[in-house]
Amino acid sequence: EADIYQTPRYLVIGTGKKITLECSQTMGHDKMYWYQQDPGMELHLIHYSYGVNSTEKGDLSSESTVSRIRTEHFPLTLESARPSHTSQYLCASRPAGLSDTQYFGPGTRLTVL
Amino acid sequence: GQQVMQIPQYQHVQEGEDFTTYCNSSTTLSNIQWYKQRPGGHPVFLIQLVKSGEVKKQKRLTFQFGEAKKNSSLHITATQTTDVGTYFCAALNNAGNMLTFGGGTRLMVKP
Repeated sequence: EADIYQTPRYLVIGTGKKITLECSQTMGHDKMYWYQQDPGMELHLIHYSYGVNSTEKGDLSSESTVSRIRTEHFPLTLESARPSHTSQYLCASRPAGLSDTQYFGPGTRLTVL
Repeated sequence: GQQVMQIPQYQHVQEGEDFTTYCNSSTTLSNIQWYKQRPGGHPVFLIQLVKSGEVKKQKRLTFQFGEAKKNSSLHITATQTTDVGTYFCAALNNAGNMLTFGGGTRLMVKP
């Protein structure tokens, strides 16, 4: 069982609020990722990190920001939430090897009213 | 960048029928992974294929990697309602540090 955690699991919030989605893994993985996904649809990579103090934007443009101050922690922040941000946000991590699997957290379902 | 195309996007089957999803790339892949995401859940790793022409089986699931390592397939024999979900293929980029996911095939099984 993968040790990757996301909180909160569900969040309903009003427009304009600042939110932070938490993601933590206890496996010591260097690589971590954030995906945005509408139910049953494609996984869109929005941010990734290859280690502490390393963050990059993914394929899908996002107004969110991330930080990687500690190996195990990769939070995502939205400064001002909008209804268009309503989606599921999945955090994932991978070890360093080329043939290693990717582990996903349970996700945060965000609804912005 | 590397692209991985997956077809079909959706598939409805009657319980007991077979199901196949296909994954194609224009470039040679070092390996390919398959994930399953149940409705309301998160993607979970199923299997990895590395060798040209490789075939692996997990009970009713058969995974194949093409001879040219540019395509892969997942075949489910005699589907069950527990097979419902979205199946994603994923391939490592050239740098070996990121997985590129296909668009997924959403399988629905009618009992």
